[in-house]
Amino acid sequence: DIQMTQSPSSLSASVGDRVTITCRASQNIGSYLNWYQQKPGRVPKLLIYTASTLPSGVPSRFSGRTSGTDFTLIISSLQPEDFATYYCQQGYNSPYTFGQGTKLEIK
Amino acid sequence: QVQLQESGPGLVKPSETLSLTCTVSGDSVSSYTWSWIRQPAGKGLEWIGRFYTGGRPDYSPSLRGRVTMSVDTSKNQVSLNLTSVTAADTAVYYCVRYTDYGYNWFDPWGQGTLVTVSS
Repeated sequence: DIQMTQSPSSLSASVGDRVTITCRASQNIGSYLNWYQQKPGRVPKLLIYTASTLPSGVPSRFSGRTSGTDFTLIISSLQPEDFATYYCQQGYNSPYTFGQGTKLEIK
Repeated sequence: QVQLQESGPGLVKPSETLSLTCTVSGDSVSSYTWSWIRQPAGKGLEWIGRFYTGGRPDYSPSLRGRVTMSVDTSKNQVSLNLTSVTAADTAVYYCVRYTDYGYNWFDPWGQGTLVTVSS
């Protein structure tokens, strides 16, 4: 199985901050990397697919970057509604695996 | 717009079979591939498997042998059966569309249904 390792596991930040969350794959997965946002008590929501593509309706302050097997989710200016847990997920090989999640909290 | 709604017993006894149904609205269930994903309370997401009409199912190795997925095109539903459950199977179970355009992702997600395994 492909292991997905996120860092940090938790993060405190303030509104307006630039936030970076990293996800490392245990092997090459190309751009088969997706990000999901899950707010407390809510359903996970697709945030970014194919490493850097935003679905319709996702604010442009979210972006995704790739460097080899390292993937980065960037929030350019944190908004109150962005406090949530973020998961990466590889779609390169079955079984499709998720990172352990990064909980983004208000400082 | 596709909408998914899971249903099934919220409580299952150990060693019994967990059976869930996902009703799909807004599109034909035979047009897509479907997955189930689960999430124990306070923990991360675990992919269970995927299935599409007329296709070969693909299950997570960690659950293979206990899991079966199927599609009922007459009811536009997707089903999940998980046998010999234990407390470790207690989780919120999500029905999700597996979107595959070469690259793939999970979207949309159902609201999820909590299943507790307890006697």
